[in-house]
Amino acid sequence: GDSVTQMEGPVTLSEEAFLTINCTYTATGYPSLFWYVQYPGEGLQLLLKATKADDKGSNKGFEATYRKETTSFHLEKGSVQVSDSAVYFCAGRDSGGSNYKLTFGKGTLLTVNP
Amino acid sequence: SQTIHQWPATLVQPVGSPLSLECTVEGTSNPNLYWYRQAAGRGLQLLFYSVGIGQISSEVPQNLSASRPQDRQFILSSKKLLLSDSGFYLCAWQGKNQETQYFGPGTRLLVL
Repeated sequence: GDSVTQMEGPVTLSEEAFLTINCTYTATGYPSLFWYVQYPGEGLQLLLKATKADDKGSNKGFEATYRKETTSFHLEKGSVQVSDSAVYFCAGRDSGGSNYKLTFGKGTLLTVNP
Repeated sequence: SQTIHQWPATLVQPVGSPLSLECTVEGTSNPNLYWYRQAAGRGLQLLFYSVGIGQISSEVPQNLSASRPQDRQFILSSKKLLLSDSGFYLCAWQGKNQETQYFGPGTRLLVL
């Protein structure tokens, strides 16, 4: 079945450091890929997405590029802030299967220290 | 614009008691609706989804059930709670033929 593998962390960085959280997706087709963010005590918010190969999603300084060859969608930010501390989830929906369901990774806890 | 509500925000219940969590969506019609559970320190587990009124699909066998009595209302229930039912329950909606799921604020359930 479909699966999402992401770096589990936790990840601890200093403010203004560079962030990378790896994510790869295994599916029968070419999935749409998403990054969600969950701030403490809250629900998930969509951070960015890409629906086809070579698409780049970006939002709030975060970027991720859909690499077709490896079905990877690594999340990056050039300079993190304390307010970026949250849990980040990678998710995918296989275009070849049911479009009802997303497959989520296990989440990566990011802590940014001042 | 669309909004999604969940209540209660927090719930503490004794083992063996019943449960009812409610989720409602505004500003859209005929959405797909989802219930997820997030146990402490773990990822998201899809529990149920619904593509229409009265249509429920269960993803994992468990102590919980779901119902969709109205187009924009999704209810998660249990007749007798277990300790293992503790967690953070998230409701989400997705428009038909759309890419993105949108999440509610969640309900934190503690079973003692």
